[in-house]
Amino acid sequence: RKEVEQDPGPFNVPEGATVAFNCTYSNSASQSFFWYRQDCRKEPKLLMSVYSSGNEDGRFTAQLNRASQYISLLIRDSKLSDSATYLCVVNRNAGKSTFGDGTTLTVKP
Amino acid sequence: EAQVTQNPRYLITVTGKKLTVTCSQNMNHEYMSWYRQDPGLGLRQIYYSMNVEVTDKGDVPEGYKVSRKEKRNFPLILESPSPNQTSLYFCASSTGQPGNQPQHFGDGTRLSIL
Repeated sequence: RKEVEQDPGPFNVPEGATVAFNCTYSNSASQSFFWYRQDCRKEPKLLMSVYSSGNEDGRFTAQLNRASQYISLLIRDSKLSDSATYLCVVNRNAGKSTFGDGTTLTVKP
Repeated sequence: EAQVTQNPRYLITVTGKKLTVTCSQNMNHEYMSWYRQDPGLGLRQIYYSMNVEVTDKGDVPEGYKVSRKEKRNFPLILESPSPNQTSLYFCASSTGQPGNQPQHFGDGTRLSIL
């Protein structure tokens, strides 16, 4: 079993739709969690950090559930420009960082 | 401008010919890391460094070496490259403990080993 698992998709949604991605992790000692966005094999860029209390940035909401060991990303009112691959990242202490394989989102007109 | 710079951006070479991919950051970050990304997969950590002269293995260190003699530089060395090391490589850095801080990535290096 992989340490971090994501549904690879692809998710194909119309503009304006709400879409949610989940990411599960197996190491209960994991300390911090992030969502990154990657376009066409370019460098990953930070989308948002993920906290137990949940955090929101405009149309994006991230949530962490430590008891069930998963993180989620919700995108509301999808735009064409949201089309990308979304990577969840789980960091343990002492420098180890594990990425999910990514979930591909395509938003269509 | 705050950035992580990798060189070269593209390289085609042959099996067994030693190569070095350089990585430099200008943000005074303590933590640096190397990843490789293969089609359909996320990033896999090769090596990381918590600070100068402190390096450790990630999940896929075989066939790679690194060094951290200065805070700003973290080169990735392939002593005897093989075709299975053909991949897209990313260098990243972050301030303080990476467990708490997001990483900043370079533009990537596409390596082809023939």
